[in-house]
Formats: sequence, structure tokens, C-alpha cells
Amino acid sequence: SYVLTQPPSVSVAPGKTATITCGGNNIGSRNVHWYQQKPGQAPVLVIYYDSDRPSGIPERISGSNSGNTATLTISRVEAGDEADYYCQVWDTNLNHLYVFGTGTKVTVL
Amino acid sequence: EVQLVESGGGLVQPGESLRLSCAASRFTFSNYWMSWVRQGPGMGLEWVANINQDGSEKYYVDSVKGRFTISRDNAKNSVFLQMNSLRAEDTAVYYCARDHGGSLNLWGQGALVTVSS
Repeated sequence: SYVLTQPPSVSVAPGKTATITCGGNNIGSRNVHWYQQKPGQAPVLVIYYDSDRPSGIPERISGSNSGNTATLTISRVEAGDEADYYCQVWDTNLNHLYVFGTGTKVTVL
Repeated sequence: EVQLVESGGGLVQPGESLRLSCAASRFTFSNYWMSWVRQGPGMGLEWVANINQDGSEKYYVDSVKGRFTISRDNAKNSVFLQMNSLRAEDTAVYYCARDHGGSLNLWGQGALVTVSS
């Protein structure tokens, strides 16, 4: 099955930039989606189709995807950005599976 | 408000069954694929199953095939997850979510399922 690998944790100071990677074999050929999950809450879609933002998601949050790595970037980090972040792809080649990454805990110092 | 609300979670013993429901409101439910996603204690997200708009296509993660069944009732704007032969490893918060071109753009608040003797 398709595997998506994320770093377990990322720490960033307020006002700086957080970069979260999502590694997968030739992931650049797939559409990647990103979710933010705060403690005790349901996940929220923050990026879809690699770099599009749903309404209400700030422009500080952006995404890119190329080669074997997709990236979620959070600029001008705020305390409210502290959360778990998951990447996800839809594997239509394998029973229409939705595959999630391992998740990254972003800590704002 | 556009929302999904799950119900039906609870504590069951191994081998028992449980049926989760998810009620949709304020959007045209019959236009969307719907999914169930679970999250074990302290764990990441795991997609469980999804169903197309008219219920004719259903897909499952291998670990639940033959035990779980997803279904929907468009007249009641609801999607269901029938879970049989439950195991300890099925313990999780179960979320229903609305599919959008391979992403999940609307999530419910989750229903806790605990399988324990």
C-alpha cells in the first residue's frame, strides 16, 4: 500500500515559518490534501489539490508538491497554529483508499 | 449551518456489534460521496470506508472488510456504519466526513467507540 511519511514534530517560534513535509513515492503525480487537528477537535481541511485553500483558511498557510515530497508551509506562525497536521492522498489504484500521513505535531515555542 | 453530526457510539464487548449514524444538514447530501474515518487513542487518522452518491459503490480498508458495512439513506440525509465482530483494535473516535474530489472537506465532531471486556 502507499505510504506517506511525515516528521513526528516541528517546533517553531512565533512569527517564524513552519515547514511540514510529506514524503511518498512520486507523490508529485498525486493530489495532496492537508488537515489541521487541534486537541479534542475534528480535523479541518486547510489545503486541497496541493495548494488550494478552502474559504476561511488564511493565506499564511500554503502548500506545494513535487517529486517525492509535498510541503505545507505556515508563515508568520501564531500560537493558534499549534496542532497536529496530516497529509492525505486518494489512491484510486488501490481500492479507492484514502491514505493519511503519519501526522506532524507543530509546537509553537 | 452546514454540518455533520454522528451518533451511536458507546462501550461494547469484543465480538459485539454497533451501528453509527451521521446526519447531514444544510447541504445537498445526495450529491456527495461520504466517508468514515477513525482515530485510535493517541493515534493518527485512518480512513475506514466510503460510499458513492446512490450507494452503488462502497470501498473499505482491508482491516474492516467483511465486518463493517457502510450505507446511506438520502431521504434522511444520513450515512451509517454497521460494525460487527468488533475487536479491541477498533476502539477509536469515528468521524463521518464529506468527500470532495479526493479530499474530506467537512467533518463531524466524532463518535467514540470503545471495545473492551
